[in-house]
Amino acid sequence: NAGVMQNPRHLVRRRGQEARLRCSPMKGHSHVYWYRQLPEEGLKFMVYLQKENIIDESGMPKERFSAEFPKEGPSILRIQQVVRGDSAAYFCASSLYRGGQPQHFGDGTRLSIL
Amino acid sequence: GESVGLHLPTLSVQEGDNSIINCAYSNSASDYFIWYKQESGKGPQFIIDIRSNMDKRQGQRVTVLLNKTVKHLSLQIAATQPGDSAVYFCAESGPDSNYQLIWGAGTKLIIKP
Repeated sequence: NAGVMQNPRHLVRRRGQEARLRCSPMKGHSHVYWYRQLPEEGLKFMVYLQKENIIDESGMPKERFSAEFPKEGPSILRIQQVVRGDSAAYFCASSLYRGGQPQHFGDGTRLSIL
Repeated sequence: GESVGLHLPTLSVQEGDNSIINCAYSNSASDYFIWYKQESGKGPQFIIDIRSNMDKRQGQRVTVLLNKTVKHLSLQIAATQPGDSAVYFCAESGPDSNYQLIWGAGTKLIIKP
């Protein structure tokens, strides 16, 4: 009965380090979406993945950011060589069907860059 | 629910009154609309959705109204309770990319005792 699980809830990194954010979708869901949220703003789409496939990464920065959703295990959003501007809340959502609505969200990872 | 700049629009409502939160959407081709509630430190929580072939949909204590002519969406919450305090977001998606939700800036709902 668990919802979308994200960890860690809070992550602090120094500039130049790597950040790895994990997302386990709802049970039975094989479609995962990553969003980014700045304070007092709406969410911005980053990437849509299905198991072992990236369906749409049009919202993801071309450099330093990557995402995967392996056959086994959680989806990972990876940010290399983090910079101050990467500080944000990163949310993951999942759906049962391709592009299915509504998307169900986790409680996010708050990334802070020192 | 529309906003520019850094400050969220705020709606203050007396407990027990009805709340109406408005949203102007951007794309006339959008055919799916959804409202989410986000409490502090939490992820967005689904409230209600509506497709463009409808102009009204009701849930428990909530009603969504869609006016395609003026590209306007509203969320009505009946008998507002303290637990309704949150930021409310509308989001839209279109037929070309039905999973890529485009989010509004949000409206902060404050309940006065």
